[in-house]
Amino acid sequence: QVQLVESGGGLVKPGGSLRLSCAASGFTFSDKFMTWIRQAPGKGLEWISYISGSGTTKYYADSVKGRFTVSMDSAKTSLHLQMNSLTVDDTAVYFCVRGERGLDDAFDIWGHGTLVTVSS
Amino acid sequence: DIQMTQSPSSLSASVGDRVTITCRASQTISTYLNWYQQKPGKAPKLLIYGASSLQSGVPSRFSGSGSGTDFTLTISGLQAEDFATYYCQQSYSNPPFTFGPGTKVEVK
Repeated sequence: QVQLVESGGGLVKPGGSLRLSCAASGFTFSDKFMTWIRQAPGKGLEWISYISGSGTTKYYADSVKGRFTVSMDSAKTSLHLQMNSLTVDDTAVYFCVRGERGLDDAFDIWGHGTLVTVSS
Repeated sequence: DIQMTQSPSSLSASVGDRVTITCRASQTISTYLNWYQQKPGKAPKLLIYGASSLQSGVPSRFSGSGSGTDFTLTISGLQAEDFATYYCQQSYSNPPFTFGPGTKVEVK
């Protein structure tokens, strides 16, 4: 069964760090691309990072550039998002999402999401 | 960056109604336009990709059309399970992958 399962969310103080993980089952990242998308409480969807299936190409939204780092393991079944210098504006549900080249780069598989709360 | 807008931001409808949601891109995106459905507390679900292609398993009452800058999502015969928020998203110029602000379909 193709699925993504996120972990690592929680409560962190402003200025703190958190590392999110995403475990994939039923596929490997090799011929896909992976993204992190977040949703602040009551708000819309915001794409924040991209990593190619090879792991060599990475992009970030301006809102997280320089603070967040995306990576994947060598088996290409686990994705990570290292989040540093967190602010209250980073409070959101974070989704690990698969991008499918064969579907015009649409996001076809979504994890259930993990909540990150930044508060003092 | 390409900006996406949607209209209306919300609408009220009844079961059986035909519902149309519009999405506009700030510049041409060919047919690289995708639609997602999100229910409260759940992850979004891909409905339509490439402006008009129905994702596997999605009911045929959902359809998409458009190209260039103007797109529509139509639900022909709204069902109870269709009350949700719908987002468009462009995959033409990536990154960034930009989403529209969403359209909430509520019960009349």
